[in-house]
Amino acid sequence: KNEVEQSPQNLTAQEGEFITINCSYSVGISALHWLQQHPGGGIVSLFMLSSGKKKHGRLIATINIQEKHSSLHITASHPRDSAVYICASRTGNQFYFGTGTSLTVIP
Amino acid sequence: DTAVSQTPKYLVTQMGNDKSIKCEQNLGHDTMYWYKQDSKKFLKIMFSYNNKELIINETVPNRFSPKSPDKAHLNLHINSLELGDSAVYFCASSQSPVYGYTFGSGTRLTVV
Repeated sequence: KNEVEQSPQNLTAQEGEFITINCSYSVGISALHWLQQHPGGGIVSLFMLSSGKKKHGRLIATINIQEKHSSLHITASHPRDSAVYICASRTGNQFYFGTGTSLTVIP
Repeated sequence: DTAVSQTPKYLVTQMGNDKSIKCEQNLGHDTMYWYKQDSKKFLKIMFSYNNKELIINETVPNRFSPKSPDKAHLNLHINSLELGDSAVYFCASSQSPVYGYTFGSGTRLTVV
């Protein structure tokens, strides 16, 4: 079983700050997913990574396969980024989820 | 049009009842999933179907039974509901496990 750990569990930032959320996993994976869950409860898939780096707008996700570590960065954070960010590792058809990082961006 | 739709959005029911949650996707995806999010916000996969065939069946009670009449639908039936079944249940779909996936808006089940 792949253990997925995220840090920090809770994060409060001022608007405009650069934010980093970390995710580490214990065994080799097929891919690493980053998800976003808004206060209303809906979940959005942000990224799927198997190597390197991906960027979408102000969001950047990186993965280091050797170190079994991934990071999600948010540049120029905004209050609408406030949400829970969840990383999930996939090995074959099995998914393992981290417990999430609750981000609050203050205006 | 909603890509992955779940019904109902909220469900309150008494212990011992049998209930169903429906999920439909109009994305043409081959794979559908059911996840359970508990009170601690931890998301756990329950089932996965690929083209109507069960490919993941995590350790969940036998009271939970998925039904996939076609690849666009994956319904979740729960028998003899218990208090511990209270959670938010999410349906999701993907083109295949190698791609990202789309989630429904969730069904908040409360067992009283």
